[in-house]
Parts: sequence; structure tokens; C-alpha cells
Amino acid sequence: GENVEQHPSTLSVQEGDSAVIKCTYSDSASNYFPWYKQELGKRPQLIIDIRSNVGEKKDQRIAVTLNKTAKHFSLHITETQPEDSAVYFCAASRSSGDKLTFGTGTRLAVRP
Amino acid sequence: GAVVSQHPSWVICKSGTSVKIECRSLDFQATTMFWYRQFPKQSLMLMATSNEGSKATYEQGVEKDKFLINHASLTLSTLTVTSAHPEDSSFYICSARAGPRTGGSNYGYTFGSGTRLTVV
Repeated sequence: GENVEQHPSTLSVQEGDSAVIKCTYSDSASNYFPWYKQELGKRPQLIIDIRSNVGEKKDQRIAVTLNKTAKHFSLHITETQPEDSAVYFCAASRSSGDKLTFGTGTRLAVRP
Repeated sequence: GAVVSQHPSWVICKSGTSVKIECRSLDFQATTMFWYRQFPKQSLMLMATSNEGSKATYEQGVEKDKFLINHASLTLSTLTVTSAHPEDSSFYICSARAGPRTGGSNYGYTFGSGTRLTVV
């Protein structure tokens, strides 16, 4: 089955700096890669996703890049703000709607 | 947008009792429901996948007789933790997928709000 690894497990940045979280996956058939933000005790919130026919996608301060050959994808958050502090999970599936395999999570802390 | 209502949001039960968790899709028909478990400071681990009208498919290591899943309608799926023990204490969360022509905006995932289960 699919295995998704995520690094780093914790990340602390100064407000205004950029944050990068990286994930690798094992199943070459995976072609849907969402990123979720989860606050303590809450449901995961989709922040951005990318499909395998696209190499990069951007939404304001958030961007995701995908390298299918290397089987890795990354989340980039620019101009970080304290409210970006949360746990971020990457995930992968064979198609949008198939079961998701989550990464181990990254706890991001943005220092004011 | 698509909404999944999950209840209860938290429950405390005695060891040996059973607890039922419900997930309802409010404005779309959920052809598939995924059930996840999340221990503190850990990731979401898929427990089982259920399709409306058929038996659930459980992930390796998940006891199907302990975690009973029912998906009898396109808008309701339930997870029953039977004979709960303290090690079952966790955050349980469902995620619904809408199928084609069933009202969902896309094939994406809609998460419930989660249930914090504490077994004492």
C-alpha cells in the first residue's frame, strides 16, 4: 500500500518568513495530493491540492509543487503569520475520492 | 458547500460499554465514507472504508468485530466501538465522498468535525 513520509515533524519560523514542508510517497499510481491544516481538536481543513498532471499550483501565500519522477511534493507558505500556526498534513491517493494516506504531520509554529 | 455532521463531538464511557458515532451528509449523498482514528499528536490512520449498501472494507490490523460500521443510506454512516477499552480512547473522524450525480460538488473529501472518545 501507499506510504507517505513527511518532514520536518516540527517547524518554527519567524513571522514573515517562509515555511516549507516536504513529503514523499511510494505508490507511483498516486495522482492526487492534498494538503490539510488541522488545529487542535478540529477537523482537517483542505488548504490546497494538486493533481499529477500539474507541476505547481499557487493560491495567494500558499503553493504546492509536485515532482512525479522523484515522487515528492512540497508545501510552501510565504509571509507566514501567527494564525498559520497549526499541524499540517500531506496526503496522497490514487484519485480524488479514493482513500487518502496521510503523512505524519508537521507542527508549524510562527513566532510573532 | 458539502457538510458532514458528526455526533457526538465528545463522549466519555465506561470500559466494556459500546459507543456509536454518527456521520450524516447534510446536503449531498455520500456514496463512500472513510473512518479515521487519530491518537494525540499523531496522524490520521484509516480504519475502514464503507460504501452505501455494502460491507465495509477494513484496513489491516483493525478488528471488524470491534469497530462495527454501518452505511445503510446515502446520508448516514455509523461507527460503533464495541466493548470499549481505555486503549480505544482516541479522536475518531469520518470523511465522506460524493459520487457522480449525487449532489457533491466534486469527488473530494468532506470531513466530519470528529468525536473525542475517552474510555475510563
